[in-house]
Amino acid sequence: DAKTTQPNSMESNEEEPVHLPCNHSTISGTDYIHWYRQLPSQGPEYVIHGLTSNVNNRMASLAIAEDRKSSTLILHRATLRDAAVYYCILRDIEGGSNYKLTFGKGTLLTVNP
Amino acid sequence: NAGVTQTPKFQVLKTGQSMTLQCAQDMNHEYMSWYRQDPGMGLRLIHYSVGAGITDQGEVPNGYNVSRSTTEDFPLRLLSAAPSQTSVYFCASSRTGTNYGYTFGSGTRLTVV
Repeated sequence: DAKTTQPNSMESNEEEPVHLPCNHSTISGTDYIHWYRQLPSQGPEYVIHGLTSNVNNRMASLAIAEDRKSSTLILHRATLRDAAVYYCILRDIEGGSNYKLTFGKGTLLTVNP
Repeated sequence: NAGVTQTPKFQVLKTGQSMTLQCAQDMNHEYMSWYRQDPGMGLRLIHYSVGAGITDQGEVPNGYNVSRSTTEDFPLRLLSAAPSQTSVYFCASSRTGTNYGYTFGSGTRLTVV
């Protein structure tokens, strides 16, 4: 499985944008980039995913580097409810393990009021 | 739409006891999985299923059994509980393929004494 690298923790202030980085230098051409977050005492929650182009949804934006070796999850205006662990995960479209999510330790985001 | 429902939310077992963690989804998802999460760690895959009647092992399957007789249900059985199985267990489901996110349940917190 291709591996991802994320900072252990980041801090932000409420109502400011947050950019959460993820490096995936060994990404293959058939890997989708998925982001999940886990709020305290809850199950993970799907945030967004993409393959090559930048993606936007109601929760966040995903910016993917042109060479796909890194990506950034963007929260446009952080709120206290965005405090969570954020996981960047690669899922292979074609591989036999495309059912599987391989979680690392993620990035713990702290949002200050 | 209930999503993914896990029961019970909390359970205390004695070493050697057996029990079944229940998981049900009402989204007609083909993929279902069980993960465990230990303190300070990411989630690890126990067992998964790509459809009714089809199951397979994940990273940490020892001590657990699963079956998938219907699309909706995917119970996880602990055969003879051990303290090392103290963890939070999450069930998840998804449509087939990597272009969809997983929906997770709220978890079962299991303590084996």
